[in-house]
Amino acid sequence: GAGVSQSPRYKVAKRGQDVALRCDPISGHVSLFWYQQALGQGPEFLTYFQNEAQLDKSGLPSDRFFAERPEGSVSTLKIQRTQQEDSAVYLCASSPSVRINYSNQPQHFGDGTRLSIL
Amino acid sequence: GENVEQHPSTLSVQEGDSAVIKCTYSDSASNYFPWYKQELGKRPQLIIDIRSNVGEKKDQRIAVTLNKTAKHFSLHITETQPEDSAVYFCAASEGGYQKVTFGIGTKLQVIP
Repeated sequence: GAGVSQSPRYKVAKRGQDVALRCDPISGHVSLFWYQQALGQGPEFLTYFQNEAQLDKSGLPSDRFFAERPEGSVSTLKIQRTQQEDSAVYLCASSPSVRINYSNQPQHFGDGTRLSIL
Repeated sequence: GENVEQHPSTLSVQEGDSAVIKCTYSDSASNYFPWYKQELGKRPQLIIDIRSNVGEKKDQRIAVTLNKTAKHFSLHITETQPEDSAVYFCAASEGGYQKVTFGIGTKLQVIP
């Protein structure tokens, strides 16, 4: 039914705290992506899931970042021991699995979670 | 990996004029090029996309062109309206690999 849903919309945490960000993709979408968007910048790739399998995590900035999608639908991005440089908007996107002419399908984005680390 | 460059970073046009945003990419294997519009505080919205098997695509006032040889693609908005004011992102991805690389964005301001 609805588009990609993310929660919370805003999160304020103190430096050193752990945070968890949730993404509900469009129903039936196999692929799920996490991006980090700093102010005035384009989205930067963090990680990609196909169903429950995390196929690419090359964009995760450090081992403090961890993502999971245990049942192939909802995904959680966790950041441990947050630092001020983690402050950004975290965007989730999903897309169908079927490719067209061997190229990718459009990604549909959620509204993002704005994370502020004090 | 892929590198996408986008310019200009800001663009002001009078209402009714055309706007053009240009992007270049580095990976010759890239074959899918979406464009997103993002209003302040909102999600990126896909406005048009093009695949490498075509050179041009049009949807009402919006058109995108692709030059595979030169590895650049452009967004053209005609008859601009104030509601076109937003940040526009180009992006590129390679078919066998789901990762999408975005440009830095162009802030378009349409002056009434």
